[in-house]
Amino acid sequence: AQSVTQPDIHITVSEGASLELRCNYSYGATPYLFWYVQSPGQGLQLLLKYFSGDTLVQGIKGFEAEFKRSQSSFNLRKPSVHWSDAAEYFCAVGLSGYALNFGKGTSLLVTP
Amino acid sequence: EAQVTQNPRYLITVTGKKLTVTCSQNMNHEYMSWYRQDPGLGLRQIYYSMNVEVTDKGDVPEGYKVSRKEKRNFPLILESPSPNQTSLYFCASSPLRRDKNTEAFFGQGTRLTVV
Repeated sequence: AQSVTQPDIHITVSEGASLELRCNYSYGATPYLFWYVQSPGQGLQLLLKYFSGDTLVQGIKGFEAEFKRSQSSFNLRKPSVHWSDAAEYFCAVGLSGYALNFGKGTSLLVTP
Repeated sequence: EAQVTQNPRYLITVTGKKLTVTCSQNMNHEYMSWYRQDPGLGLRQIYYSMNVEVTDKGDVPEGYKVSRKEKRNFPLILESPSPNQTSLYFCASSPLRRDKNTEAFFGQGTRLTVV
């Protein structure tokens, strides 16, 4: 069965520290992979996406993600977190860019 | 500006009173869908549409209806809302193609409370 797993429900990091949010998937073929961010009271904003090619993808707001086929993972990283990064992050996968399965989300708290 | 517009943004209603949440996109996208977001459950797809007059069930369709009479509009209808439909709802649209430029565009969300 197709599934998307975000193992961490909540993550707390100090401002300026590095961040890694995990995403694992189970699909029959290599899917299209996305990371979205939802700031409090806001809609979903696309951070980055992977379709093919270079496995290290750069996104907006200083985020990047690495696709690892052998581990079925697409982890999101940021070298230095800002207080404004506090939000909920969703990994999404699909066999296209439009029919997406979402993970349950990871809530990021940034402490001073 | 390319956008997906949902209305209303906030709605409190009573059990059993029919309601409609509207969704409109101005990007001429073929694919539109509705999701609900609940704490700890992420986003789950309710219904989707691949073009005018073509709709299909997603993962959690019970208690919902949709229609796609025009390409730009995809309303979500709750004929008899119940408290377990209290949720945050998102509409999304996308072109119906599989290439690197394809992505889903989301509305701002509708927070529905059924009492």
